[in-house]
Amino acid sequence: NAGVTQTPKFQVLKTGQSMTLQCAQDMNHEYMSWYRQDPGMGLRLIHYSVGAGITDQGEVPNGYNVSRSTTEDFPLRLLSAAPSQTSVYFCASSRLAGKVSEQFFGPGTRLTVL
Amino acid sequence: GQQLNQSPQSMFIQEGEDVSMNCTSSSIFNTWLWYKQDPGEGPVLLIALYKAGELTSNGRLTAQFGTTRKDSFLNISASIPSDVGIYFCAGQLSFGNEKLTFGTGTRLTIIP
Repeated sequence: NAGVTQTPKFQVLKTGQSMTLQCAQDMNHEYMSWYRQDPGMGLRLIHYSVGAGITDQGEVPNGYNVSRSTTEDFPLRLLSAAPSQTSVYFCASSRLAGKVSEQFFGPGTRLTVL
Repeated sequence: GQQLNQSPQSMFIQEGEDVSMNCTSSSIFNTWLWYKQDPGEGPVLLIALYKAGELTSNGRLTAQFGTTRKDSFLNISASIPSDVGIYFCAGQLSFGNEKLTFGTGTRLTIIP
């Protein structure tokens, strides 16, 4: 079991470039989410999904797109990167039954936008 | 957006000391969680609390779900070097609503 995996681990972009952060889980979890972590701000929810084909916005969705075509994958797209999107991005997943708050986090992607 | 107030922001302690931190909110939560983040890693769940007043232990860690449902506390007894990291509280508003609200974190440093 690899758990939650994220690629790349580090990325540097120029303002205006686009890219996709990859997230995959092999635990057959229905719920997946993306957070960004900034100094002194904790983790803030960007987008989330409760199953394939279903996505919704979190607290800070502007500038990000997501899709969920399979249970395993939940990519996060930056269409036109801005310096304000410099952050560490975490993907998380959990089951939707029982004690569902026990989210498992990936190792993170550190993104710098110049 | 809503955030949880976590204190203290940072702690510098000596090995063997006990640690206490807390988290408060203006909203009522149905679930409180405590996560630990090691440098360069994602958060890892330490303790989950599901009932007001609940006291739960995980080794040297003990957490409590406040009776008002607006706060939670985490204690670490007899700290050791591997306790170093950032501790986050998180709250869930209701069962079936998976979204978590995170606190701003408490950075724990152990002075040799």
